[in-house]
Amino acid sequence: DIQLTQSPSSMSASLGDRVSLTCQSSQGIGNYLSWYQHKPGKPPKPMIYYATNLADGVPSRFSGSRSGSDYSLTISSLESEDTAIYYCLQYDEYPPTFGAGTKLELK
Amino acid sequence: QVQLKESGPGLVQPSQTLSLTCTVSGFSLTSYNVHWVRQPPGKGLEWMGRMRYNGDTSYNSALKSRLSISRDTSKNQVFLKMNSLQTDDTGTYYCTRETIAAHFDYWGQGVMVTVSS
Repeated sequence: DIQLTQSPSSMSASLGDRVSLTCQSSQGIGNYLSWYQHKPGKPPKPMIYYATNLADGVPSRFSGSRSGSDYSLTISSLESEDTAIYYCLQYDEYPPTFGAGTKLELK
Repeated sequence: QVQLKESGPGLVQPSQTLSLTCTVSGFSLTSYNVHWVRQPPGKGLEWMGRMRYNGDTSYNSALKSRLSISRDTSKNQVFLKMNSLQTDDTGTYYCTRETIAAHFDYWGQGVMVTVSS
């Protein structure tokens, strides 16, 4: 199975900070990488799909990028509502696999 | 609009079978794939399996011997059955729709399942 390694596992940042989360794939997955925001008591919310595409209704401060097998989710200016756990998912090859998540908190 | 909703028992005894239903609206099961994903308390997301638009199924190899996914297109429902439940099967179970862009665009609210005697 393809392994996705997310880093850091947790982090804290201040309001207005630029934040970048990383997901590294153990094998080539092309652009079949998506990001999900997960808050307690709610279902995961799609944020980025196909590595760089913003999902419907997601604020423009979120963006996705790719460099080889490294994928990033960037928040240009952190807001309080962005605190959550963020998961990446690869769906290039079966089975789909999730990263372990990055917990993002406010400093 | 597109909706998915999981239903099922909140409590299951160890060694028993879990039966969950995902009822969808706003789209056709013959046009979209539906997946099951779960999350144990305090842990990450785990993909369980998929019902394809054409009725084919795929399963997580770690669960394959215990898991079965089926559907009733006339009722817009996808079913999950997993036998021989243990305490580490406790968690929140979600159904989710797959899009053409190979991601999960709509999710149910999830159903919490506790395995305990």
